[in-house]
Amino acid sequence: GAVVSQHPSWVICKSGTSVKIECRSLDFQATTMFWYRQFPKQSLMLMATSNEGSKATYEQGVEKDKFLINHASLTLSTLTVTSAHPEDSSFYICSAVLQGNTGELFFGEGSRLTVL
Amino acid sequence: DAKTTQPPSMDCAEGRAANLPCNHSTISGNEYVYWYRQIHSQGPQYIIHGLKNNETNEMASLIITEDRKSSTLILPHATLRDTAVYYCIVRVGADYGQNFVFGPGTRLSVLP
Repeated sequence: GAVVSQHPSWVICKSGTSVKIECRSLDFQATTMFWYRQFPKQSLMLMATSNEGSKATYEQGVEKDKFLINHASLTLSTLTVTSAHPEDSSFYICSAVLQGNTGELFFGEGSRLTVL
Repeated sequence: DAKTTQPPSMDCAEGRAANLPCNHSTISGNEYVYWYRQIHSQGPQYIIHGLKNNETNEMASLIITEDRKSSTLILPHATLRDTAVYYCIVRVGADYGQNFVFGPGTRLSVLP
């Protein structure tokens, strides 16, 4: 299957700092990427849809000024958590759509953010 | 909201077939059934997908009922490494902008 790489896989930061997470599609181009967040023992919740060359579409309740998404190329989308607080600690997962008739979604390995 | 319902948990003996059911009674004609699994602290892994016909790949088989209102994912010889949460999702295949909505999934425990 297609490969999506996410970096870093884990990060610990101090409250008030910003953290950037990268998501790359390694062997295919992705005009659409999705960013999810997952809290312990819960399912994945969509945060935003990232479209190459345009502004991201955020889900209700997700602060666009706090979770900055940039999709500057067909293989890279970034999520920046600005002024992180302990409640932002979570598992962040990106995914990219493999374009074709059936549009399978492939996921990165996830990034575990811990804000102290 | 997820368009599918799955049992919250299942057990399976190692080496036996694991049959994971999924109900999707409101599925539309152009919606595919996708299966993913998530091993603890990892991103979801694509398993298989189908529209109408049964599908098989190196990981699993997907059996879709004739009315398409339900499906079953079959892991033919479950191993301990198959312990994971399995998600059944329905979605329009060619609608790239449409999100994959994850429900709670089925937590499969493969027992030695």
